[in-house]
Amino acid sequence: EVQLVESGGGLVQPGRPLRLSCTASGFSFGDYAMNWFRQAPGKGLEWVGIIRSKAYGGTTEYAASVKGRFIISRDDSKSIAYLQMNSLNTEDTAMYYCTRTYYGDYVPRAFDIWGQGTMVTVSS
Amino acid sequence: DIQMTQSPSSLSASVGDRVTITCRASQSITTYLNWYQQRPGKAPKLLIYGASTLQSGVPSRFSGSGSGTDFTLTISSLLTEDFAAYYCQQTYSPPPTFGQGTKVEIK
Repeated sequence: EVQLVESGGGLVQPGRPLRLSCTASGFSFGDYAMNWFRQAPGKGLEWVGIIRSKAYGGTTEYAASVKGRFIISRDDSKSIAYLQMNSLNTEDTAMYYCTRTYYGDYVPRAFDIWGQGTMVTVSS
Repeated sequence: DIQMTQSPSSLSASVGDRVTITCRASQSITTYLNWYQQRPGKAPKLLIYGASTLQSGVPSRFSGSGSGTDFTLTISSLLTEDFAAYYCQQTYSPPPTFGQGTKVEIK
């Protein structure tokens, strides 16, 4: 079964870091670009960032709201994508979803597999 | 960033009703438009990509149309499991952006 499972969420104080993991199974992880999205409670969906496959340089892009604070990385040998979140603030409180790019080698065009999400709450 | 506007924000409908949701982009996005369904407490699910292509496994009562700036999602005959939130998303120009969502509720 093709699956993504996020972990690492929880309660964190403002200014502190947190690292999320996304473990993939059922597909050739290294062939796909992986993305992170988030959804604040009761709000809409926001793209956080992407890490492309090694075939496309493993490059990353980020939303303006997290650029310079968040870092996406991947370990293809373990089929895991990571989201390192630094300098967290209350506006980062959200459910964080890991997703697979369905098609679009460099610019992602659709996202077909979503994890169940992991909740991050930033509060003192 | 490209702004996506959905209408209505919510609607009440009955099982068996035909429902149409519209999505408008702030500039032309050709057909780089996706639709997602999100049930309460669940992750979004890709329904339609490329404005009109049904994702594998999605029932044929769902359909999408449009190009340029104006798009529609139609559910031909609502079932109980279709009561959910629906989001459009453009992927024409990074970053991918979503509409604010349409909540389909039971009348």
